[in-house]
Amino acid sequence: KAGVTQTPRYLIKTRGQQVTLSCSPISGHRSVSWYQQTPGQGLQFLFEYFSETQRNKGNFPGRFSGRQFSNSRSEMNVSTLELGDSALYLCASSLGGSRGGRTDTQYFGPGTRLTVL
Amino acid sequence: SQKIEQNSEALNIQEGKTATLTCNYTNYSPAYLQWYRQDPGRGPVFLLLIRENEKEKRKERLKVTFDTTLKQSLFHITASQPADSATYLCAMSDAGNMLTFGGGTRLMVKP
Repeated sequence: KAGVTQTPRYLIKTRGQQVTLSCSPISGHRSVSWYQQTPGQGLQFLFEYFSETQRNKGNFPGRFSGRQFSNSRSEMNVSTLELGDSALYLCASSLGGSRGGRTDTQYFGPGTRLTVL
Repeated sequence: SQKIEQNSEALNIQEGKTATLTCNYTNYSPAYLQWYRQDPGRGPVFLLLIRENEKEKRKERLKVTFDTTLKQSLFHITASQPADSATYLCAMSDAGNMLTFGGGTRLMVKP
């Protein structure tokens, strides 16, 4: 089975621009979660999508949004980029499950390295 | 506020020894605790999950303990090898797939 793929792997943007990141989960996985990783704050949860619906949301401003398509692929959008948005953005997929995925094993992709200048 | 703490200093040990990493948490009652391994430039890789009603879990050379009274988890790698060198992250979940991660501890195993 192919793993979680994320595109692009690297991205350079300037302040004020917007960016869209893409994540393809493992085949059969219905849950996709997004995380931001920075040296100062570590790994922080952004949001989770399951069956095209946002199921959980972290403590990030509304500039961060996402969506999930019927094939479980997910996109994450950041509008009006700020310097502090420079980070590694990780996507993780899991089966999801009827119990809200609480014991799901999460499989992470390689991440998208976003640099905001 | 909820906090998960791991030793931010790197842990340096000799090959063949047992590495022990610590994860402490406060203001939190996690139902599950997970350990991940992360190599530079890569996403975290799941290692072990332990539930709040389990004291210990083992997988090959790995062992995890979970003490809800001390609010602490210990992660052990026995007979460590240079290939075990990586950053190890503990994460907790009490709601769906929303994981809260510690800052990670970097392990260096010297030959």
